[in-house]
Amino acid sequence: SAVISQKPSRDICQRGTSLTIQCQVDSQVTMMFWYRQQPGQSLTLIATANQGSEATYESGFVIDKFPISRPNLTFSTLTVSNMSPEDSSIYLCSVSRLAGREETQYFGPGTRLLVL
Amino acid sequence: GENVEQHPSTLSVQEGDSAVIKCTYSDSASNYFPWYKQELGKGPQLIIDIRSNVGEKKDQRIAVTLNKTAKHFSLHITETQPEDSAVYFCAASSPSASKIIFGSGTRLSIRP
Repeated sequence: SAVISQKPSRDICQRGTSLTIQCQVDSQVTMMFWYRQQPGQSLTLIATANQGSEATYESGFVIDKFPISRPNLTFSTLTVSNMSPEDSSIYLCSVSRLAGREETQYFGPGTRLLVL
Repeated sequence: GENVEQHPSTLSVQEGDSAVIKCTYSDSASNYFPWYKQELGKGPQLIIDIRSNVGEKKDQRIAVTLNKTAKHFSLHITETQPEDSAVYFCAASSPSASKIIFGSGTRLSIRP
């Protein structure tokens, strides 16, 4: 498995501000991902965080709104910019790690964001 | 692209009975099918997964079956206990995709 921590665990923010969420993994991983989970909904992939290059964003998500950094193989940040109440969600960091010869994906505990 | 459908959206079973959650997928190239359990206030936890070279996998009270011809897979929980109450998500991915696609989730409640 993988030990993944996220900071902050939760936050309440004012609209128009930005929040940076940190994700730390206990050892090097091949891939890191950021997901959004709106209340009562499933998980939606925002982007794949690439080490040493720009993140790969999914349809409907843009770098200006969700800038991502991945300075090394164990750490990534997601910023939610110019927040509005619609950004209120759980943001989840996920990593892909080799289990035997196969890639397996694990999730962090999430960051619960409320935008007023 | 891949689409994963999950049923039912809610499921209530008596403690000790079995629970079954079913998923279908659209991409015939998909070959990896994990299941996640999400308890209230926590991130999704991988509970079992299956790859397309096997038809069934079991881990204690949890089993997953895969029918590649019909493109569906199921999660079976036997002898359910109160701690099994959670939201369960199925997912699928293919070798050509570096990401997994999730189903819509099933909220499982165990009645005492």
